Amino acid sequence: QVQLVQSGAEVKKPGASVKVSCKASGYSFPSYYVHWVRQAPGQGLEWMGIIDPTGGSTTYAQNFQGRLTMTRDTSTSTVYMELSSLRSEDTAVYYCARYWGSWSAFDVWGQGTVVTVSS
Amino acid sequence: DIQMTQSPSSLSASVGDRVTITCRASQSISSYLNWYQQKPGKAPKLLIYAASSLQSGVPSTFSGSGSGTTFTLTITSLQPEDFATYYCQQTYSTPVYTFGQGTKLDIK
Repeated sequence: QVQLVQSGAEVKKPGASVKVSCKASGYSFPSYYVHWVRQAPGQGLEWMGIIDPTGGSTTYAQNFQGRLTMTRDTSTSTVYMELSSLRSEDTAVYYCARYWGSWSAFDVWGQGTVVTVSS
Repeated sequence: DIQMTQSPSSLSASVGDRVTITCRASQSISSYLNWYQQKPGKAPKLLIYAASSLQSGVPSTFSGSGSGTTFTLTITSLQPEDFATYYCQQTYSTPVYTFGQGTKLDIK
């Protein structure tokens, strides 16, 4: 079935970087853009950015400019989200989501990856 | 950026009730509005896309309406599994797709 499977929980120190993976299966990987969304504890959903799995082009939210990098590996149908210079406010659950372009919606979501930033 | 504002922020209701959640955009977004349901510890789930289209597998007790700047999500005859947090999302301003702050629906 169509699914996105994310890598496991991470604990990082302030100033470090984290790289989360999102492996797609059950559909044509190049045909759907992938977005990343995060959710801080007890908070709402925050859009982070988007990657085109075909060409690798990206767009990032203004809040993350300079700290966020999204990449993809077409041979394994996997996209990656790397966030650098981590601070305590980056503690959150990070989700990848498939973009259903025909109707402009996020129709399939990964299970989420908990990233904890603590000294 | 387009701002999305949901009301109310929280809502208490009983099984069998009809509830309505409103989402307002800071500018016109045509019908580029989606609704998601999120349960604790789970990823969001797409309920409604393009303002009023029901995602496959979603019960017909859910419906969406609106266009422009004001949208509503209505749940008729609440079921126990419907108690969750609901988010609206605009997908008009490609590709910066902002969410509302969420509406938590709990049991009265």
